[in-house]
Amino acid sequence: DTAVSQTPKYLVTQMGNDKSIKCEQNLGHDTMYWYKQDSKKFLKIMFSYNNKELIINETVPNRFSPKSPDKAHLNLHINSLELGDSAVYFCASSQEPPSGNQPQHFGDGTRLSIL
Amino acid sequence: GIQVEQSPPDLILQEGANSTLRCNFSDSVNNLQWFHQNPWGQLINLFYIPSGTKQNGRLSATTVATERYSLLYISSSQTTDSGVYFCAVRTTSGTYKYIFGTGTRLKVLA
Repeated sequence: DTAVSQTPKYLVTQMGNDKSIKCEQNLGHDTMYWYKQDSKKFLKIMFSYNNKELIINETVPNRFSPKSPDKAHLNLHINSLELGDSAVYFCASSQEPPSGNQPQHFGDGTRLSIL
Repeated sequence: GIQVEQSPPDLILQEGANSTLRCNFSDSVNNLQWFHQNPWGQLINLFYIPSGTKQNGRLSATTVATERYSLLYISSSQTTDSGVYFCAVRTTSGTYKYIFGTGTRLKVLA
């Protein structure tokens, strides 16, 4: 069973379009994250959610809107896609203090290419 | 904010060689993980090691939190070890936020 699954794996779209990436975890974790990996392989946190509540928003443009319908799901919607949004987006989950302390587990990533 | 630097940035080894990768961080941390990003782009957990030493087969890791560094040892390297190695830290003031290091790109030659 895949612990953290995200869909789609690949997304190729035109500039200006709106797209969504979905993420689900079956580990029972209370915290989920979105990361962006750029072309130089640098990984940067975008958002973190704890028990469906937004905790961290790392100065990400308003065009990016995460939504967590429940603890096991964290989706990412992107409006008006720009060339600079081309990257690999990773979803992750963990169990954070005080309710626990478990390492992060990552999905396989979604490679977004903007034409 | 915290700075997380990894060294060396690039490393080329012959199969069978040993290596040490280093992760330095500029602030106190209460969590540290090592990951291997394989050539298919997957991020694989290697170690969850806020302090102390752990071993898993040919890999071992040591974190000295008081001196703000962690080391990843790879012994008898294999071509399948190729990829990028990342450390990621959570600061004592930064729950729900992990900062990734700059990465070490490793290539193991047959």
